[in-house]
Amino acid sequence: QQQVKQSPQSLIVQKGGISIINCAYENTAFDYFPWYQQFPGKGPALLIAIRPDVSEKKEGRFTISFNKSAKQFSLHIMDSQPGDSATYFCAASVGSGAGSYQLTFGKGTKLSVIP
Amino acid sequence: EAQVTQNPRYLITVTGKKLTVTCSQNMNHEYMSWYRQDPGLGLRQIYYSMNVEVTDKGDVPEGYKVSRKEKRNFPLILESPSPNQTSLYFCASRRQGTLGGYTFGSGTRLTVV
Repeated sequence: QQQVKQSPQSLIVQKGGISIINCAYENTAFDYFPWYQQFPGKGPALLIAIRPDVSEKKEGRFTISFNKSAKQFSLHIMDSQPGDSATYFCAASVGSGAGSYQLTFGKGTKLSVIP
Repeated sequence: EAQVTQNPRYLITVTGKKLTVTCSQNMNHEYMSWYRQDPGLGLRQIYYSMNVEVTDKGDVPEGYKVSRKEKRNFPLILESPSPNQTSLYFCASRRQGTLGGYTFGSGTRLTVV
């Protein structure tokens, strides 16, 4: 059972455009939602994360929007650059207790930003 | 430099030949975890460890073993590898009390023929 569904699988965006990746979750116990960025040949690296007590978090050109009632969250990359070309994973975990050890990932979105 | 180090980076082996992928972190992290990454399936957790001598199964533990005898090391053991274990493997660690912010190694690409 896939607990975090991510879309689209791949995304092509023009330089300067907005990239949007969406995720939906099923487990209402999840209360921590990070996004990871992975470049070819590298391990994933934490990009930005959000708790459900806020609806939006912004760090530079990267913004997470969170809709608790819909059990959805999304990553927006403003002014997308070729250097943003990577695979992006959304993830979810329970913030405390035994569940906090397990990070459940979406299947990933390969983003290509073309000049 | 704070990091998670995996070895080897690439490994080709034959079915049934036992192998170990090593993982070491220099950040004194309590939590460590192994993931496998397959095309179209994303990252799936194999095993995780909350601290020394404390380990538990993740989502896809079949065919794998782990041990945590020291805080810094978390080796992944394949007793009898099979072709369906051909994958890209990542070790990750994080500090107790931090939320989801795992530091990942650079990966081990394993091919079982």
